[in-house]
Amino acid sequence: DTGVSQNPRHKITKRGQNVTFRCDPISEHNRLYWYRQTLGQGPEFLTYFQNEAQLEKSRLLSDRFSAERPKGSFSTLEIQRTEQGDSAMYLCASSSFAGTKAFFGQGTRLTVV
Amino acid sequence: KNEVEQSPQNLTAQEGEFITINCSYSVGISALHWLQQHPGGGIVSLFMLSSGKKKHGRLIATINIQEKHSSLHITASHPRDSAVYICAVTRGGADGLTFGKGTHLIIQP
Repeated sequence: DTGVSQNPRHKITKRGQNVTFRCDPISEHNRLYWYRQTLGQGPEFLTYFQNEAQLEKSRLLSDRFSAERPKGSFSTLEIQRTEQGDSAMYLCASSSFAGTKAFFGQGTRLTVV
Repeated sequence: KNEVEQSPQNLTAQEGEFITINCSYSVGISALHWLQQHPGGGIVSLFMLSSGKKKHGRLIATINIQEKHSSLHITASHPRDSAVYICAVTRGGADGLTFGKGTHLIIQP
């Protein structure tokens, strides 16, 4: 399968713990996006990378959130000191360049208890 | 007011009916996307358009740039079309997508 892959698919964690999600984009895509979707809402933009450079961050991305794409391939999204409000689906998407069709992963569903 | 508004929020129809989902936006865009999200979260991109009309199988997407409005039509609807349909825009001068809240479509046999 050469689509966008996200791991894990589901994560349950206790409040205060750190979690890390991984996204493997389509290999030739240089743009990678992270979105967050809460129940009943459309996804919201968090951040995006062009190759290894993080070019834009939403104000939704508090200091507890950090994203990396060290070699311009896979990306990680880490949430430190998780809160119950962080419970959401975290979606990753990739595209070949700006303005082209985005391909989405299956998402990582985070539940903070 | 959200920058991307969809209507209706929920739609239940009988198999075979012609379905229309509407999307209005209030910002300048470079492209509009229609996405399909199934239970479990996976999102599939259906269309990306910046003008006119696109067709793929039983799905048709139109956009009117002057009116800042787009519609997604499904002809001969089928229960497997049941999903959340999301309108999203790529804003001019920015990157990433701005999403509507989605339309939850149920097609009953």
